Amino acid sequence: DTGVSQDPRHKITKRGQNVTFRCDPISEHNRLYWYRQTLGQGPEFLTYFQNEAQLEKSRLLSDRFSAERPKGSFSTLEIQRTEQGDSAMYLCASSPEEWGPNYNEQFFGPGTRLTVL
Amino acid sequence: AQKVTQAQTEISVVEKEDVTLDCVYETRDTTYYLFWYKQPPSGELVFLIRRNSFDEQNEISGRYSWNFQKSTSSFNFTITASQVVDSAVYFCALRPLYNQGGKLIFGQGTELSVKP
Repeated sequence: DTGVSQDPRHKITKRGQNVTFRCDPISEHNRLYWYRQTLGQGPEFLTYFQNEAQLEKSRLLSDRFSAERPKGSFSTLEIQRTEQGDSAMYLCASSPEEWGPNYNEQFFGPGTRLTVL
Repeated sequence: AQKVTQAQTEISVVEKEDVTLDCVYETRDTTYYLFWYKQPPSGELVFLIRRNSFDEQNEISGRYSWNFQKSTSSFNFTITASQVVDSAVYFCALRPLYNQGGKLIFGQGTELSVKP
């Protein structure tokens, strides 16, 4: 059983450029979450999907951020016109159907570390 | 407001010592879940335990044990006979049950360093 995967693992970009990250959740998981983690802090929630529907977005998610999960499988997170403050680790997590035996447990991927120069 | 506080930023112990990581949470919800995750240097968060608010039994799993006290809103984590491989950042997290999104609210983390 493969876990959550994220690509790329590292991304260095110049301020003003656009970047896109991909997350592949565990195959049978309906829910997919994006979090952001800055140095020395815990992860902060950005957004989540139930299948292909984006059901909640944090106020941290400015207009420059957009996330999709077009077929209810993998998800992408795009940041437009990156700023130095966007430098962080972007974590993806997935969880099973809410009412299943393992509900509430989120499985995390290895993260994508973004550095904006 | 929902909040998790891990007051210990860094802890350093010598191998075989016992160590307790503190977690205090705030929530107005009467039903919620608490979690501990481990983040080794590789960066991937590893699930350790889930505890719901109506089950205050302490739990032991090998060298790990958890003490949940609803009266003090604390969910502390103890590692007995620590080992170098326990070195990591540990996060406590809260999820209110009726939060439809299931998002986790994390504390700031405690960096544990176990020296040989």
